[in-house]
Order: sequence, then C-alpha cells, then structure tokens
Amino acid sequence: NAGVTQTPKFQVLKTGQSMTLQCAQDMNHEYMSWYRQDPGMGLRLIHYSVGAGITDQGEVPNGYNVSRSTTEDFPLRLLSAAPSQTSVYFCASSYSAGENYGYTFGSGTRLTVV
Amino acid sequence: GEDVEQSLFLSVREGDSSVINCTYTDSSSTYLYWYKQEPGAGLQLLTYIFSNMDMKQDQRLTVLLNKKDKHLSLRIADTQTGDSAIYFCAEKPDSWGKLQFGAGTQVVVTP
Repeated sequence: NAGVTQTPKFQVLKTGQSMTLQCAQDMNHEYMSWYRQDPGMGLRLIHYSVGAGITDQGEVPNGYNVSRSTTEDFPLRLLSAAPSQTSVYFCASSYSAGENYGYTFGSGTRLTVV
Repeated sequence: GEDVEQSLFLSVREGDSSVINCTYTDSSSTYLYWYKQEPGAGLQLLTYIFSNMDMKQDQRLTVLLNKKDKHLSLRIADTQTGDSAIYFCAEKPDSWGKLQFGAGTQVVVTP
C-alpha cells in the first residue's frame, strides 16, 4: 500500500546508545520531515528535506542527524540517546514543500530511552 | 507548538455537536489545517482552509476562520464514538513547508 512506512514501531534504548529510525515513502514525494510528539506540546519539527541531497534543521534538531540520499528514504539518526529523547517520532511527506493539501504521516515510532 | 493554542480536552455526548477551538499567531499563514490522531496511529488530515475563506463545510465538518482574531474552529455535527481522538490545529506560515502544530485537543465522546 502506498504511504509512509516507519520502522521500528517501538524501541527501547539505553542512554548513550545510537540508533536509526527508518522512514520510507513510495509516493515520489519530494518533501519529507521528522516530527517528535510529546504530551501537551503537539508536534515539533526536528529536520526536513526538500529533495534528495538537501536537508535542513527544524525547531528541535539537537541530538539528531538526517540524510537524504534517495527520494524514497529519510532516516533519522540518534547518535547518543538521552532520556530527553523519549518521545513518539513521526515522519511525514508531501509532493513539495509548497504542498497546500497537507502531509501524509507515518504511523510513528515510540522510543523510550532509559 | 507555542504559537498555536488549543484547549487540551473536550467531552461531548454522542449525537451532540463538538466545537474545537484554536488560536494562532502568524498572520501570514496562508493555510490552516485540522488533523485527527486516533490511538496508536499517525496524523490524518481532516480538512484545511485557505486564509481568504471564512468557512468551509465538508459533510459533518465545518471549519470557521476569523482572520482578524486569528481564531480557527472545527465543528463536528452529530458526534459519534468514532470521533474520539486527538485533534490538532496547524498553521503553515510562508516559510517553506513547515507546519506549526498546536498541542492537540483530546475529544472524548460518551454514550
């Protein structure tokens, strides 16, 4: 089924560990982004990409890295996990950054850092 | 989403109308959105409105926009138990592709 696929759905990390959250879309969307969702704070933009090879920081980029080597994939890397990174992470995509009809969201990755 | 504010909780009886309110601060926002999040799922776009519109109706959903007061509302007519979810208001300022979300309103529909 076409859409945004995120893996894994759940993950528990120890403080200091690293991991990569995967995001893939098969809709040929140029624009992809990562958000984190925390209770009472809505969704906050971490990083985004307007096309392959182009990435930029969002509102809360510290502690996260991204790359965009292909149109389809936009992985999010945690280099040294901290408890403050416990959150639900969503990947979203759209045809272009100027898309006015909303974004397609993945189902999320629930991350716990202990 | 400190620039977009919503009340955090709304309880409504099945069959009644629900009204979810939102205020935003960026007057340059050209598009405003309502998303729905069901438990354990991602966000689903419900509807959107252009800033040059006052109202938009889509089946049971009515969006009202008061641009002067920067106030957006979502009315759900004949609320059903399947409408229980978190509803997010979002604005899109002119900056490239960045949606600014509110904290979300938890809507609980009781029989």
